[in-house]
Amino acid sequence: EPEVTQTPSHQVTQMGQEVILRCVPISNHLYFYWYRQILGQKVEFLVSFYNNEISEKSEIFDDQFSVERPDGSNFTLKIRSTKLEDSAMYFCASRRGPDNSPLHFGNGTRLTVT
Amino acid sequence: QKEVEQDPGPLSVPEGAIVSLNCTYSNSAFQYFMWYRQYSRKGPELLMYTYSSGNKEDGRFTAQVDKSSKYISLFIRDSQPSDSATYLCAMKGGATNKLIFGTGTLLAVQP
Repeated sequence: EPEVTQTPSHQVTQMGQEVILRCVPISNHLYFYWYRQILGQKVEFLVSFYNNEISEKSEIFDDQFSVERPDGSNFTLKIRSTKLEDSAMYFCASRRGPDNSPLHFGNGTRLTVT
Repeated sequence: QKEVEQDPGPLSVPEGAIVSLNCTYSNSAFQYFMWYRQYSRKGPELLMYTYSSGNKEDGRFTAQVDKSSKYISLFIRDSQPSDSATYLCAMKGGATNKLIFGTGTLLAVQP
């Protein structure tokens, strides 16, 4: 069964450093998302991406964050200058099409900012 | 009032029991309702996906949506130790496509 894959599984970085989290969505999917889950808290929406542009973003997704689909398969989340509070699991997700298609998640990248 | 409320548990049941997991919500615009299972340090895995009110069954799992009460449920029949995980409800609707998650209920099925 096709799946969303994310790399790396764990990333440790120092405060102030840039980090790029990578995702390969399911191949025939058109809508892409990033969510995050701080330890012990809810899964929360960051950003959605369709047709090479951001379609929606949350208040968490400030100027330090950016997303890109650099080629036909990868979808990346960049954090420009990481803060301690960015430590979380970051999940990439994708869905095939319109509203009635479900969202499929990857296994996440655990980001630790020291 | 929180948009989606879910009892965090933990819920501990013996193997073979029927498990009932629930969420309530406040936003009447929600139309799509999902249940995800999440094992420790893994991503949410889609279990059930329903639109509007009604029941949906898939093997040992049944999802129920009651929009009039703003209440959704997931039932697991003949629970197995491998069902031990955190169960997340999620929903969306209205002008946004983002999913709103509950806090998750931690389930332990004892052999």
